[in-house]
Amino acid sequence: AQTVTQSQPEMSVQEAETVTLSCTYDTSESDYYLFWYKQPPSRQMILVIRQEAYKQQNATENRFSVNFQKAAKSFSLKISDSQLGDAAMYFCAYRTAKGGGSNYKLTFGKGTLLTVNP
Amino acid sequence: NAGVMQNPRHLVRRRGQEARLRCSPMKGHSHVYWYRQLPEEGLKFMVYLQKENIIDESGMPKERFSAEFPKEGPSILRIQQVVRGDSAAYFCASSPTIDRGQRSYTFGSGTRLTVV
Repeated sequence: AQTVTQSQPEMSVQEAETVTLSCTYDTSESDYYLFWYKQPPSRQMILVIRQEAYKQQNATENRFSVNFQKAAKSFSLKISDSQLGDAAMYFCAYRTAKGGGSNYKLTFGKGTLLTVNP
Repeated sequence: NAGVMQNPRHLVRRRGQEARLRCSPMKGHSHVYWYRQLPEEGLKFMVYLQKENIIDESGMPKERFSAEFPKEGPSILRIQQVVRGDSAAYFCASSPTIDRGQRSYTFGSGTRLTVV
């Protein structure tokens, strides 16, 4: 079974600075997707960024980028120019891309609570 | 286009009562997924339903929990005889098809169930 580990329960960053959130995962599969979700106090789960495992290029969405190291099974999220609105719980998630089977399930880490200091 | 609607947002039940959680998927979405978030934990998959069918309930506790997604109306997650350990946030997500890319897999804001 796949597992996702986020080793940082809490992180803090100064406004306008850069912060990196860590995520490692365990899988025997070669084709899969990885995601970062943001959960603000409203509880809404918001997709921040996604990465296909077969793509070597790291995904980027505006101020958010990932460092995907497939061999190391590592998938960290970098937030540049941090803003107060970035404060939230961030979850790393895994989903198999294998056809058939349970390729609709997301497996989540326990999350990292990010605080942004003004 | 309204998102995934869950109600109620907060639900308080006494031990032994029944809890009914509702999820209306996005318009055009026929696939519904329920997840549970225990305190200090990430979301965990419970069940996947299509209209009138349970596709995968491997994450559902064997007793007291059931889910349905009727032809008309919202999906319902039902918890009978609730216990304190059922206190959690319950999230629903929907998608139009099996969305491998996650682009249209949309979550609701969850129902926080508190058992007293």
